[in-house]
Amino acid sequence: DAGVIQSPRHEVTEMGQEVTLRCKPISGHNSLFWYRQTMMRGLELLIYFNNNVPIDDSGMPEDRFSAKMPNASFSTLKIQPSEPRDSAVYFCASSLDRTTYEQYFGPGTRLTVT
Amino acid sequence: AQSVTQLGSHVSVSEGALVLLRCNYSSSVPPYLFWYVQYPNQGLQLLLKYTTGATLVKGINGFEAEFKKSETSFHLTKPSAHMSDAAEYFCAVGTGGNQFYFGTGTSLTVIP
Repeated sequence: DAGVIQSPRHEVTEMGQEVTLRCKPISGHNSLFWYRQTMMRGLELLIYFNNNVPIDDSGMPEDRFSAKMPNASFSTLKIQPSEPRDSAVYFCASSLDRTTYEQYFGPGTRLTVT
Repeated sequence: AQSVTQLGSHVSVSEGALVLLRCNYSSSVPPYLFWYVQYPNQGLQLLLKYTTGATLVKGINGFEAEFKKSETSFHLTKPSAHMSDAAEYFCAVGTGGNQFYFGTGTSLTVIP
């Protein structure tokens, strides 16, 4: 298996622009997670899907952030409008089950908002 | 409430010395425990996991961890540190019912 695939790997954008991050989970995995990692706040869970349905979005920082999973093989995380404080590395991860199986992480998208 | 605590955000060891990274958890149910490693500019990857059975778990790259229920701990060890072990290490706990938590991470520096 190719593992979790994320695109783009790097994104540089100006404040106010819309940003869309993409994720393809491992085939057969039922759970998908979006994380954000910064030096200040560490690793934060933004949202978690199970069988394409959002289960817990309490980590989504603001209404500017939205996530979708239209099918089992694709998810997006959108920031609109983006702000400099959104600069971070965003990881997507997938697993067979949220709590009893390990999560497999993608390589991350490094977002810089100027 | 369930949570996981990693003691020491930064640990330095000499090359060849013992590596000990501490992790304690709180859980009202039997936990599933994990250690992940993150190398610079990469995602997290699984080092080892405990679900049931033998409490001493061996992982990749010579790491192992022991589940001690009485101490609610799952410390990560390696007998002899190598330069390539320098990375960020995360402990995580899953407890069923959609509960899964990562610790805040421990940065390991290996001194030549």
